[in-house]
Formats: sequence, C-alpha cells, structure tokens
Amino acid sequence: DPKIIQKPKYLVAVTGSEKILICEQYLGHNAMYWYRQSAKKPLEFMFSYSYQKLMDNQTASSRFQPQSSKKNHLDLQITALKPDDSATYFCASSQDRNTGQLYFGEGSKLTVL
Amino acid sequence: GEKVEQHESTLSVREGDSAVINCTYTDTASSYFPWYKQEAGKSLHFVIDIRSNVDRKQSQRLIVLLDKKAKRFSLHITATQPEDSAIYFCVARGGSNYKLTFGKGTLLTVTP
Repeated sequence: DPKIIQKPKYLVAVTGSEKILICEQYLGHNAMYWYRQSAKKPLEFMFSYSYQKLMDNQTASSRFQPQSSKKNHLDLQITALKPDDSATYFCASSQDRNTGQLYFGEGSKLTVL
Repeated sequence: GEKVEQHESTLSVREGDSAVINCTYTDTASSYFPWYKQEAGKSLHFVIDIRSNVDRKQSQRLIVLLDKKAKRFSLHITATQPEDSAIYFCVARGGSNYKLTFGKGTLLTVTP
C-alpha cells in the first residue's frame, strides 16, 4: 500500500486557472516536502515543512502556496497557471528535517494548456 | 547554494558488468550524500547513502565512494542486472540547511 498518497495522479489545466495538488503521508513523519520534475530541469526542491511550519521556500513565485491543514498533509495550491508549470510534482516526507532519507509519493503530473 | 553535477547523463552496460556514476558538489560543508533511483514512469526511492565521516560504504551490489578533498562521490553497481536499469540521482545536503540538492540524473541501461 502506498504510504504517501498524491492526488490526482494526472491533471490537465488551462492557462490562468488554479489547481490544488493533494498529499497525505501515513509514515508518521514530521517533515514534508514538495519537489518538481520537468523535462527542462532536474528534480527541483520547492518547499519543506517541519511540524506543519514552513522551513524552506525555494520557489520564487507566490503563485505556489503550500497548505498544511494536518501534520500528515501538505497540499500545493498553484494559481494563475502557465504552460511552464507543466511538470510532475512530487510530495516527499522524512522522519525529521535532518533525517536524510526521503520517501516520495507517486507524483502528480500536471499539464497546462 | 549547493550545486551538484552528475557527469554521465546516460550509461549503457552489459548485464554482469559494473556501472559507475560520478558526481561532484560545490559546498565544502555538505556532509550527507544519498542516491535515489527512479524506474521508468515511477517515483523515486532511496538506494544508498554515505556521510562525510566515512569514505566508502557498501550495501550488497552497491558501493558509494566519497572523496571530500575533491568534492566528488560516486555510485558503483557491481554485477549489474536488467532490473538495475533506471535513472539514478546523486544528491548532496548542504551544510547551511537541510535542503537536498539533486543532480540531473543518469539513465542507466543494462542490456542482457
């Protein structure tokens, strides 16, 4: 059974719209992350949370907003979508922020037309 | 910030041979270097790691070497099997924070 659930697995959006990517982890981890993988760039760190607090933000655009309603949830809201946002977004978690081993979800593949 | 360069973008070996993937990093303070594997169309999973207090670590057919002076680390896969075919990412954790910086990935193909 997958321990990190990402929804939806695939989504298509039109330019200018808004989408929310869902992530829930059932590993009992305290730290959660978002990464982005596109054809143009390597796996790119976006955000890290520890005990539901934002710790690192490497995303310049405010169009990307993480939301943590529960300790094991870290959703990603993306507004004013652009074609360049097309990528696979991976949620990950680790026991704590200084525990190196990450566990990744299956990813949400976003296509913006 | 930390930068990780992964030297081989693709690597093709015959089954049973060894494969070596080389990476370099820039942050002298980096102390943790994991490797991740991504099979076609799937997510990433952890395969092995090494910390800066050692220069070699082995887990079954996987060997990781770390040269701190040269800021270089490498993954050696011995006796390769077709199921080793995947993209391998080298990663470094910067000294100033806990952020992991990924290399661009090496597509390893093991042919029978």
